[in-house]
Formats: sequence, structure tokens, C-alpha cells
Amino acid sequence: RKEVEQDPGPFNVPEGATVAFNCTYSNSASQSFFWYRQDCRKEPKLLMSVYSSGNEDGRFTAQLNRASQYISLLIRDSKLSDSATYLCVVNINTGNQFYFGTGTSLTVIP
Amino acid sequence: DADVTQTPRNRITKTGKRIMLECSQTKGHDRMYWYRQDPGLGLRLIYYSFDVKDINKGEISDGYSVSRQAQAKFSLSLESAIPNQTALYFCATSMTASTGELFFGEGSRLTVL
Repeated sequence: RKEVEQDPGPFNVPEGATVAFNCTYSNSASQSFFWYRQDCRKEPKLLMSVYSSGNEDGRFTAQLNRASQYISLLIRDSKLSDSATYLCVVNINTGNQFYFGTGTSLTVIP
Repeated sequence: DADVTQTPRNRITKTGKRIMLECSQTKGHDRMYWYRQDPGLGLRLIYYSFDVKDINKGEISDGYSVSRQAQAKFSLSLESAIPNQTALYFCATSMTASTGELFFGEGSRLTVL
């Protein structure tokens, strides 16, 4: 079983739409959670960390549900520039093991 | 200039050849990682190092070796390349795990014929 699982999509949404991605993780000892963004043929870059109480950064909201072992990312008012692959990342033992989901592809359509 | 630099950016080679991918960083981070990315499989950890004297195997280390020559340099070697090692390889650094942020190089695309 994979440590981190994501729906690969693709998600094709119109500009201005709200879109949500979910990610599940298998190890209940997971300690840290993140969303990374990866543009086509580019390196992944940190989008936001995910905190237990949930957190928001502009149009982006991340939530963590430890009981159900899933993480979510909500994007409001989608922009064309949001088109990318979004990677869910989990750190199980602080410091050494980051596990990546396969990524969810988002295309925002004019 | 990029803080994490990988060379070469693209390489085509033949089965059985020895290949080295190099990574250097100017971020002053102790922790360095090598990942490979394949369509549908995501990023998978090959090796990681927490300092010059520390080398650890990741999820898929078979067929690879690494060398941490200095704090700023971490190289990945394929002693005898095979076609299923065709992938996009990323080097990454981090300062501490508590921040969780991995800083990636721009990637090295390797094709083994």
C-alpha cells in the first residue's frame, strides 16, 4: 500500500471555480503534512504546510483530519495560473522521510 | 542563479554506461536528497544524507550510489545504466525537517537507451 494516495485527476475547471483535492496517508505516525505545486517539467515547490487546526493562505485552504488520515486543499476563485500538478507530501519520521503522492493535475480553463 | 543546481540537465546514454548526476547547493543546508520521478509513480527517494559522513538508502536505492563530497555537494551515480532508470531526477535540500520545506533543483532528465 502506498504511503500517500491522491486522485490523479485531471481536474479541468473554469476560471473562478472552486476546486478541492484530497489526499490520504496510511501511517498514523505521520507528523508533518504539506502541499507542493509542480508546473510542467519544473521542480516541485512548497505551496503550503498543513496544520492540525487548518490554515489558509489567500485563495488556498488546507485541512488535516488525523482521525481519517486525510489532507485536503481547497482553491477558491481559480486562476489560469493555478494550472499545475499539486503534490501531497507527508513526513513520517521528522527529518528523514518525505513521502510524495503521485500528484493531482489541475487545468483552469478560460 | 539557482540555489540548488543540478548537472547535467539532460542526458541521453546507452545501457551499461556509467552516469553521474551532480548536485550543488548554496543554501547552507545540511540535508540533501536524491529523488526520481516517473509518470504515475510520483517522487521516490533514492538516497539521502544529513551531513558529509552520513549516507542513507531510500525507498529505491538498488542500482544507484551516492557520494557526499562536501556539505554543498551530493552526487548520484548509476554504475551501469539500464533503460528502466530513464526518469526525471531531482536533488533537494532541507535545513530541518520541522519546517518541512524541501528545496529542489531544476531536475536532470536521463534517458537510457
